[in-house]
Amino acid sequence: ELKVEQNPLFLSMQEGKNYTIYCNYSTTSDRLYWYRQDPGKSLESLFVLLSNGAVKQEGRLMASLDTKARLSTLHITAAVHDLSATYFCAVDESGAGSYQLTFGKGTKLSVIP
Amino acid sequence: NAGVTQTPKFQVLKTGQSMTLQCAQDMNHEYMSWYRQDPGMGLRLIHYSVGAGITDQGEVPNGYNVSRSTTEDFPLRLLSAAPSQTSVYFCASRPQGAGNTIYFGEGSWLTVV
Repeated sequence: ELKVEQNPLFLSMQEGKNYTIYCNYSTTSDRLYWYRQDPGKSLESLFVLLSNGAVKQEGRLMASLDTKARLSTLHITAAVHDLSATYFCAVDESGAGSYQLTFGKGTKLSVIP
Repeated sequence: NAGVTQTPKFQVLKTGQSMTLQCAQDMNHEYMSWYRQDPGMGLRLIHYSVGAGITDQGEVPNGYNVSRSTTEDFPLRLLSAAPSQTSVYFCASRPQGAGNTIYFGEGSWLTVV
């Protein structure tokens, strides 16, 4: 059974600071997704990482994937209040026809002025 | 382009009642799925479909039925509602092929009393 663990689960950080959210998973996979969710809203796709060493950046967020370590990171640079949200990673299990996403429990990020 | 449309957005049920959550997508996506989101649990897969006429169980299928008679629609039926099914339900769709973006509906908030 695939396990996906995010840490930290709660993160309070000051504006302007940098921080990293970690996503560890327990089985072989080379497809990992990052989502953002605002309170009471749906999930917004941030990044899709498809291979070992993949790195993607959008604004103040950068995501990377190390399939050998079974680890993905979401790095936040110079945080601003608008980044306050819950961030989820989700792993797509490898295998033909596989479509099942297993989500981490989410990291609730609060950016404080 | 409506994307993924879920109805109803809010629903209160009495224990033992049945109901259907509707999900429709207008992007001609092969893959559709239903997730439930509970506090502190992330999203968990209930059922999924890889095409019309094909469905399969996810992590938490008990108490739910699905069918996929058309590409566009993927309804989720609660057979006999229980308080443990109080949750937020998300429908998702994506086109065939590894790594494609997964689109989520706006969510359906269900309370079973």
